[in-house]
Amino acid sequence: QLQLQESGPGLVKPSETLSLTCTVSGGSISSTSYYWAWIRQPPGKGLEWIGNIFYRGSTYYNPSLKSRVTILIDTSKNQFFLKLTSVTAADTATYYCARMDYDITQDAFDIWGQGTMVTVSS
Amino acid sequence: SSELTQPPSVSVSPGQTARITCSGDTWPKQYAYWYQQKAGQAPVLVIYKDTERPSGIPERFSGSSSGTTVTLTISGTQAEDEADYYCQSAGSSGTSWVFGGGTKLTVL
Repeated sequence: QLQLQESGPGLVKPSETLSLTCTVSGGSISSTSYYWAWIRQPPGKGLEWIGNIFYRGSTYYNPSLKSRVTILIDTSKNQFFLKLTSVTAADTATYYCARMDYDITQDAFDIWGQGTMVTVSS
Repeated sequence: SSELTQPPSVSVSPGQTARITCSGDTWPKQYAYWYQQKAGQAPVLVIYKDTERPSGIPERFSGSSSGTTVTLTISGTQAEDEADYYCQSAGSSGTSWVFGGGTKLTVL
């Protein structure tokens, strides 16, 4: 069964770059049916879509974050990555990686990682 | 950009029917999706493409759509259904995705 696992620093200083990795196990990241996504949730608040990437590297970003976000993929390692620059306290959140199976559930995020909490603080 | 509006909270007695609505101009052009998030856990997809249930989701969860409002219905609500519920859709361009603000379901 396909599983996703986020990893990365739990603490990032203001103005620095947040970098997270999502490792996909139990299946290939290189499927033509899947998009891979980052979603975040500030403490006590709702979900916010950050962006998607296809295995060939095409990306879609949330317009409100687009100037600071880069999502990359490494098919040889079955991993994809999130980089968020110039972070502030407002970027403190639990960050989730997720899969979108366009052939079956279309625009749904059907498998999620457990999430990783990132705090922005000096 | 699209916005999806949910009531902040809904309360229901055990065994009764809970209905959670979500309004937005993205519908009916796009499908609706619903997630359940229990405290301290990742969200779980409970409804996709307006009315479909993923494998393993109980039959008491159902979805419907009418105009610019979609509804998640939980029939015979159980204590274990107490959670936050989020609606979600693709944007009109199909290259962005958006969540509703979430509804806290309390089973009294």
